[in-house]
Amino acid sequence: AQKITQTQPGMFVQEKEAVTLDCTYDTSDQSYGLFWYKQPSSGEMIFLIYQGSYDEQNATEGRYSLNFQKARKSANLVISASQLGDSAMYFCAMREAVGAAGNKLTFGGGTRVLVKP
Amino acid sequence: DGGITQSPKYLFRKEGQNVTLSCEQNLNHDAMYWYRQDPGQGLRLIYYSHIVNDFQKGDIAEGYSVSREKKESFPLTVTSAQKNPTAFYLCASSIMQGAPDTQYFGPGTRLTVL
Repeated sequence: AQKITQTQPGMFVQEKEAVTLDCTYDTSDQSYGLFWYKQPSSGEMIFLIYQGSYDEQNATEGRYSLNFQKARKSANLVISASQLGDSAMYFCAMREAVGAAGNKLTFGGGTRVLVKP
Repeated sequence: DGGITQSPKYLFRKEGQNVTLSCEQNLNHDAMYWYRQDPGQGLRLIYYSHIVNDFQKGDIAEGYSVSREKKESFPLTVTSAQKNPTAFYLCASSIMQGAPDTQYFGPGTRLTVL
């Protein structure tokens, strides 16, 4: 069974500074995908960034980058130049293949980020 | 605009009642999913469907039922057999072809049992 671990329940970060959110995973699959989602207080889940297990370069999307270390089974999210609007819960998730070319996601417990002005 | 809608936003239920949560998408996605989120925790998969008229149990399906009669719609019924139904329910959809097969989420329904 797949497992996602986010060890930081909460973090403070100063506005305009960078913050790293940890995510480790456990899987025996060779092909998998890792996602990060943001959940503001409104509750919606917003997709941020994706990393495939065969991707050789770390994924980047604007101020978000993913520090992917396959051998260590970690996929840490880096948010650069933090903004007040970055205050939210952040979830790491892993895609698992299920029958008939379908997929499902397993989520970690999340990390709450609070950006201080 | 394409997206996923969930209704109602808030739902109150008396113990022993069944309630149905609506989820509709106009993204032309094949796959749809239902998740439950308890306070301060991650999402857990209840049911998923990759094609019309077919669906599979997720990790916590007991006390829930679903149907998939149309590609656009995937309603979730919380039955009286669900022992602790108070939670935030999120619906998602994905294209289901190749990678990354990103799941996109609706705004959620917050269910409270009185």
